[in-house]
Amino acid sequence: KNQVEQSPQSLIILEGKNCTLQCNYTVSPFSNLRWYKQDTGRGPVSLTIMTFSENTKSNGRYTATLDADTKQSSLHITASQLSDSASYICVVTQVAYSGAGSYQLTFGKGTKLSVIP
Amino acid sequence: NAGVTQTPKFQVLKTGQSMTLQCAQDMNHEYMSWYRQDPGMGLRLIHYSVGAGITDQGEVPNGYNVSRSTTEDFPLRLLSAAPSQTSVYFCASSLTQGLQGGYTFGSGTRLTVV
Repeated sequence: KNQVEQSPQSLIILEGKNCTLQCNYTVSPFSNLRWYKQDTGRGPVSLTIMTFSENTKSNGRYTATLDADTKQSSLHITASQLSDSASYICVVTQVAYSGAGSYQLTFGKGTKLSVIP
Repeated sequence: NAGVTQTPKFQVLKTGQSMTLQCAQDMNHEYMSWYRQDPGMGLRLIHYSVGAGITDQGEVPNGYNVSRSTTEDFPLRLLSAAPSQTSVYFCASSLTQGLQGGYTFGSGTRLTVV
């Protein structure tokens, strides 16, 4: 069964500090991995998307890494800000071969990050 | 450019009532989908559409209907609401289903069935 496991479940850090969120997956065959940020009461917003051949991708203070061999990804947040408080969701896309549904997404449960002053 | 617009933002239904959650996008995206988000769980796919006139079931389709008569609109219908359908519903769209780009999500509809 395809699974995406995120850790930690929740995290509290001081403003200005760095943090790293983890994502392990068992989805196969792999197409791409995305990280989303979801503010409370809002829809998820895309941060990065990485394919099999990409090891690192940055978006401002967010840097995602991917190790397709070990099926692990991380999201590193540098110099955290209060506005980084949100849930961060890892999503892995599987290539399927069943008609119109040729790609299937598996969502992690998310890591809830709280940045405090 | 409004992106993905969902209405209503909040709704309370009684068990057995029916209603339609609206989703519209103005980005000319072919792919649209509906997800539900429950506490302690990842988003789960209800129904999706790869283009006007084409819909298919996702992971948790029971109790829901969809149609896609235009590229812009993808309404989700609850036929006979049940307390188990209490959830936050998100509509998402993408230029295509697969690799290209990310998904754009609406701001969600919080539904409570009593």
